[in-house]
Amino acid sequence: GAVVSQHPSWVICKSGTSVKIECRSLDFQATTMFWYRQFPKQSLMLMATSNEGSKATYEQGVEKDKFLINHASLTLSTLTVTSAHPEDSSFYICSARDWGGGPNYGYTFGSGTRLTVV
Amino acid sequence: SQQGEEDPQALSIQEGENATMNCSYKTSINNLQWYRQNSGRGLVHLILIRSNEREKHSGRLRVTLDTSKKSSSLLITASRAADTASYFCATASGGATNKLIFGTGTLLAVQP
Repeated sequence: GAVVSQHPSWVICKSGTSVKIECRSLDFQATTMFWYRQFPKQSLMLMATSNEGSKATYEQGVEKDKFLINHASLTLSTLTVTSAHPEDSSFYICSARDWGGGPNYGYTFGSGTRLTVV
Repeated sequence: SQQGEEDPQALSIQEGENATMNCSYKTSINNLQWYRQNSGRGLVHLILIRSNEREKHSGRLRVTLDTSKKSSSLLITASRAADTASYFCATASGGATNKLIFGTGTLLAVQP
């Protein structure tokens, strides 16, 4: 089945530094990837939709200059949290759709990255 | 943005009992999906029901969809302690992008 690999699984960084999270589709081509953020005991909130070779589309209220998304190939999307602050501490999860999928094709999720900013 | 609301927010049952979770959403959809998440972990896809389907089964899972009421339910029969997790509904809509928007989730605790 489809597999999405997300790294790192956890990271601790100092306030003011930047952190990059990678999301790779291992056995399929993902023209579209999605990035979510989840605070403790809350649901997943969609941050942005990433399309291969084009700029990401951000959801309302998400700062595009703070959360940089790059989708340079059909199998890799990255999320960079720039100048991280403690309030950015959260669980970040990516999701990918198969290139050949129609509107009812499934989504595959990465295992998530727990970011702690100290 | 949050598309759906789920109820109950939390549910505690005994092993062997059935668990029912409900999801309501706001806009038209292509499909609705249910996911499971163990504490602090990734998501596991459980079942997908298309907008033109009314009911679907998968093992101990039964999902219904009522597009006229914009609601769905997930029934887990003969629950087990290992079913303890958070359950989320998610709706897919938005044309070609078809982004997935999650509901608020139900925390299920199955007591052994």
